[in-house]
Amino acid sequence: ETGVTQSPTHLIKTRGQQVTLRCSSQSGHNTVSWYQQALGQGPQFIFQYYREEENGRGNFPPRFSGLQFPNYSSELNVNALELDDSALYLCASSSRPGPHISRDEQYFGPGTRLTVT
Amino acid sequence: AQSVTQLGSHVSVSEGALVLLRCNYSSSVPPYLFWYVQYPNQGLQLLLKYTSAATLVKGINGFEAEFKKSETSFHLTKPSAHMSDAAEYFCAVRSSGNQFYFGTGTSLTVIP
Repeated sequence: ETGVTQSPTHLIKTRGQQVTLRCSSQSGHNTVSWYQQALGQGPQFIFQYYREEENGRGNFPPRFSGLQFPNYSSELNVNALELDDSALYLCASSSRPGPHISRDEQYFGPGTRLTVT
Repeated sequence: AQSVTQLGSHVSVSEGALVLLRCNYSSSVPPYLFWYVQYPNQGLQLLLKYTSAATLVKGINGFEAEFKKSETSFHLTKPSAHMSDAAEYFCAVRSSGNQFYFGTGTSLTVIP
């Protein structure tokens, strides 16, 4: 059973650019959540995908968008990067048998460290 | 809305001493509560979770937490700190939509 993996591990971008971060969920998991963790802060929920559909969104602007693929891997896209987007971006996967039935545990990947200059 | 508050952004204990990390929650429904640990440059690892089955929850690495509804608390404890316990600890609450809301974290330092 493979764990959650994320790529790349580190990334440096310039303000105004666009970035795509990738996440492969743990085997058997159909739900992926993305979090932004600024330096010295706790993770902040960005959004969640369940079976390729967005299933909840935190307080983030539309320039943060995502995708989930049939194999349940996921992408986080951020357009028009701002300096405040510099953070560790965490992906977490979990198993959800049905739309109203959830498994409690989320398994986190190691994160992608994004620096915007 | 559900949220958690962690009291104390930094805690220092001597090796072998009791570890106590505080977490208070706010929830209009019975909460599902979690403690995660994060080592430098790593993701989050689940320590333990409360899902209403028992108020005293035992987790990995000798940690445990007690759910106290009357105090809206879910404090994390370990009887004897080890050097390897030095890390960042996060309390989290899960919403009905399986979305997690984290506290701001407590950095634990263990003094030899």
